[in-house]
Amino acid sequence: DTAVSQTPKYLVTQMGNDKSIKCEQNLGHDTMYWYKQDSKKFLKIMFSYNNKELIINETVPNRFSPKSPDKAHLNLHINSLELGDSAVYFCASSQGPLGNNEQFFGPGTRLTVL
Amino acid sequence: ILNVEQSPQSLHVQEGDSTNFTCSFPSSNFYALHWYRWETAKSPEALFVMTLNGDEKKKGRISATLNTKEGYSYLYIKGSQPEDSATYLCAQNRDDKIIFGKGTRLHILP
Repeated sequence: DTAVSQTPKYLVTQMGNDKSIKCEQNLGHDTMYWYKQDSKKFLKIMFSYNNKELIINETVPNRFSPKSPDKAHLNLHINSLELGDSAVYFCASSQGPLGNNEQFFGPGTRLTVL
Repeated sequence: ILNVEQSPQSLHVQEGDSTNFTCSFPSSNFYALHWYRWETAKSPEALFVMTLNGDEKKKGRISATLNTKEGYSYLYIKGSQPEDSATYLCAQNRDDKIIFGKGTRLHILP
């Protein structure tokens, strides 16, 4: 069974569109994250939710909005997509907020904006 | 040091040899340090979470040490094997943030 899953795995879309990436974890974890891997392969945190509440919100454009309907899901909605949004987006989860909790990563979603 | 830095950026090691590399980070407001192993086309896999100065952790042939006062952590791999080829990332958790280094890309030569 996949611990952290993301859909879709690949997403190709036109500039200006609105798209969502879904993430689900079946580990019973309380905390979930979204990361962006940029063109230089550098991993940066975007958001973190703990028990459906936002606890980390790095400086990302307002066009990015996370939604956590329950502890097992953290979806990422992106409005008005831009070319610079092309990247691999990773979802992750941990038992509790970062500290001494290991993170488990999903397989990633490769977003390409044309 | 203001950021999380890893060295070397890339490393070639003969199969069977042992190796190590470094993660340097700001020592103030330290909370935890994470090490990850990231194979190409896969997602990062957690290796260690370290919180206390002097911590040493081990998983098989891989071990890590932590010095929070001087702001560094070493990752050691004993008797390198082809399957150790990967990028090794460290990330520091402090001030409610997690900041990743750029990784050390390890290539094991047959």
